[in-house]
Amino acid sequence: GENVEQHPSTLSVQEGDSAVIKCTYSDSASNYFPWYKQELGKGPQLIIDIRSNVGEKKDQRIAVTLNKTAKHFSLHITETQPEDSAVYFCAASISGNQFYFGTGTSLTVIP
Amino acid sequence: EPEVTQTPSHQVTQMGQEVILRCVPISNHLYFYWYRQILGQKVEFLVSFYNNEISEKSEIFDDQFSVERPDGSNFTLKIRSTKLEDSAMYFCASSEDLGGYTFGSGTRLTVV
Repeated sequence: GENVEQHPSTLSVQEGDSAVIKCTYSDSASNYFPWYKQELGKGPQLIIDIRSNVGEKKDQRIAVTLNKTAKHFSLHITETQPEDSAVYFCAASISGNQFYFGTGTSLTVIP
Repeated sequence: EPEVTQTPSHQVTQMGQEVILRCVPISNHLYFYWYRQILGQKVEFLVSFYNNEISEKSEIFDDQFSVERPDGSNFTLKIRSTKLEDSAMYFCASSEDLGGYTFGSGTRLTVV
């Protein structure tokens, strides 16, 4: 089955700097890649997603890039703010039905 | 903003007992899911449900587990004869179509 690896496991950045989280996947049939943000005591919240027919997608300060050849995708957060501090999960899916998640990245934005 | 609601937020049960975890998906969503997260591990897929039947399930979802949509609003996960290793955070999710889910806040299940 699909295996998703995520790095780094922890990331600290100064407020205003950029943060980048990277994921790789193993199954070339995967075609849908969502990113989730999880705050303490809450469920994962979808922040951005990308499908395999697109190489990059941007939504304000958040962007995701996908390299299908290398089977990796990345989350970019620019102009980070303290409220961006959370655990971020990447995921990959073939059917859109079952998601395979990465192990998560704990992001801390230092004011 | 519409939410997926899960109850209870925390459930403690004795090993061997049955538990039912409850979820109210977003009302116009058609696809329903259960995931679990053992402490320090990945979020793992358990089962998906569409059109009143299971559409996919993982190896984790064995005969110990069952899901039901008993009425038009609730979606439940039943675990029969719980084991210590069933202790985890269980997340329900729903989606309007295949793709981006909305997750609930989870039920923390502790088996003692």
